[in-house]
Formats: sequence, C-alpha cells, structure tokens
Amino acid sequence: NAGVTQTPKFQVLKTGQSMTLQCAQDMNHEYMSWYRQDPGMGLRLIHYSVGAGITDQGEVPNGYNVSRSTTEDFPLRLLSAAPSQTSVYFCASSYSSQRGGTSYEQYFGPGTRLTVT
Amino acid sequence: AQSVTQPDIHITVSEGASLELRCNYSYGATPYLFWYVQSPGQGLQLLLKYFSGDTLVQGIKGFEAEFKRSQSSFNLRKPSVHWSDAAEYFCAVDPFTSGTYKYIFGTGTRLKVLA
Repeated sequence: NAGVTQTPKFQVLKTGQSMTLQCAQDMNHEYMSWYRQDPGMGLRLIHYSVGAGITDQGEVPNGYNVSRSTTEDFPLRLLSAAPSQTSVYFCASSYSSQRGGTSYEQYFGPGTRLTVT
Repeated sequence: AQSVTQPDIHITVSEGASLELRCNYSYGATPYLFWYVQSPGQGLQLLLKYFSGDTLVQGIKGFEAEFKRSQSSFNLRKPSVHWSDAAEYFCAVDPFTSGTYKYIFGTGTRLKVLA
C-alpha cells in the first residue's frame, strides 16, 4: 500500500490564483481530513469527510472547498489564494469509528508546502 | 474553551539522557489521547495512543506515555534518547470519544538531541 499520498509537494501561488491540492489513499478508509500546520499553532482541521459524498467543516474552513466523489480521493480547493493561506497542508485518513465504535489511528500524508505571494 | 497545551516549545537533551514531554488537556471527560512525531520535512507518525484501561501505554521507538486523570495530563517519556529522536512531537486529543477524529493538536515540542 502507498498509504496516503499528496501532490504536489511544493507550490507557489500568486494572490488570487486557484489550485487544488490532491490527496489519495489506498487503504479503503472511510474518513479523510485536511489540516493546515502553521508555526506555533500545531495542526488545525480544515475540512473532513466521513465517506464518499459527505463532507463537513472543521475549525478553519474559510477559503477552502472540498468534495468527496470517491472513497480514495479527497481534494482540497483554494478558489482565490491569499497570503494567509501560506502553510503546510496535511491530508489524513482513517477507518470510520462506526466500524467498531471506537477511534482508530489517523494516517497522515507527507504534506504540501504552499506559499502564496 | 477546549484546548491542548504543550508548555515546552523547545527541549534539548543529550544523547542517552531521559526525556519527558508534557501534554495537558482541558476537557470535561477523558478524551482519546495521542502522541505523534514529525521528522523534518515529513508527515506525522503515530507513536502511541490511549483510549481506556491501563494508564501507562507503550508505543513505538521505545516511547511510553502515562495518562493521569487527576492532572489532565498525558506525558510522553523515553528512558534513553537517541540522536534519531530529534523531531517535533505533537500531542493530540479526540475530545469526542465516539471517535469523530476532530483532533485538537497541541502546538508541538521540538526536540534537539546533543551528541
């Protein structure tokens, strides 16, 4: 298994440009999520999905859109990039808690480092 | 407000010395608790987790953590640090023990290991 993969690894955008960060997992995990990591702030949840066709907002959703058309993929879209979105973005996946009524480990991808100028 | 606190931003230890990284949380009930490690330029790797039961949990790479309900703490320990342990360590909680995965992360502790 490749686990959780993210592309690209690095990206530089100009203010106002749009782009999509890709995330894919091959572990048949129901749950997927996006975090952003900023210095001194840890990781903060942007959006998450509990299965194909179901998404919801996390702690910092503004400026980001997501969709989940398949179990494997969970892209994150920036419609109009702003310098405040300069960050490292991590995708994570896990089995649904509905499988066993408990929580499972989240597996993280290697991250995408985004700079908005 | 619900929060996770890692009071030490940076810690420096000598190779072979013992290590303790602190984590405190503020929630009404006992959440699910995790420690992750992030090596430079890498994603996060789970070291260990606590859901219930024995309050001393063993993880990978020789790490352990102890849950103390009375102190709302989940401190990470290692008896003898190796140079390869230099990394950033994150404590995380899932405050909804039904497993919603809405993790709250601490701000991280960066560990430096002196040869």
